Amino acid sequence: EVQLVESGGGSVQPGGSLRLSCVASGFTFSRYWMNWVRQAPGKGLEWVANIGPDGSDKSYVGSLKGRFTISRDNAKNSLYLQLNSLRAEDTAVYYCAADLNPPTPKLDYWGHGTLVTVSS
Amino acid sequence: QSALTQPASVSESPGQSIAISCTGTSSDVGGYNYVSWYQQHPGNAPKLMIYDVSTRPSGVSDRFSGSKSGNTASLTISGLQAEDEADYYCASYTSAGTLVFGGGTKLTVL
Repeated sequence: EVQLVESGGGSVQPGGSLRLSCVASGFTFSRYWMNWVRQAPGKGLEWVANIGPDGSDKSYVGSLKGRFTISRDNAKNSLYLQLNSLRAEDTAVYYCAADLNPPTPKLDYWGHGTLVTVSS
Repeated sequence: QSALTQPASVSESPGQSIAISCTGTSSDVGGYNYVSWYQQHPGNAPKLMIYDVSTRPSGVSDRFSGSKSGNTASLTISGLQAEDEADYYCASYTSAGTLVFGGGTKLTVL
């Protein structure tokens, strides 16, 4: 059974940093593209970033302006998202999502999300 | 990259059919057959319902179907059931190599 379990969310002050993690199981993690998607309270979904199977290919939503960094450790079946210079508008549930049926881009499996709250 | 345009809400009676539109540009929806649709019930993670415009993943009811014409994609749900009441999001691959979501549509089954 495919499982994606996010962690690392919490409350942080504006300007602070957090590192989100997503541990994958039930599939060969190192073969697939992985994504982060966020959802602000009461709002819609926003795709944040993705990373290729070996970690060399990465894409980000333009509005992040280099504040977020996606990475992965295939030996640990883990996906990460480093959040820096956090702002109130970054408050959201952050989901880890996998694309397990290449080659076309889609988000087959989702974790349950981890909540990031940016507030003073 | 601007969000794709979806109606904020739609409603229909049980047993009827409804279509949800998703409008983009030639740089996303119109340029690629990589439109996907997601269903999200309150408090839950999204679930993939359609990918590659019209392909249903295993386990998704055949009451759900997808199509595309030009820069607009559509999700059609036939034989509406109470359990279909949820938020629906479209997404598309873009010329920038990213994904973009629509703003979401709240479906109410009357």
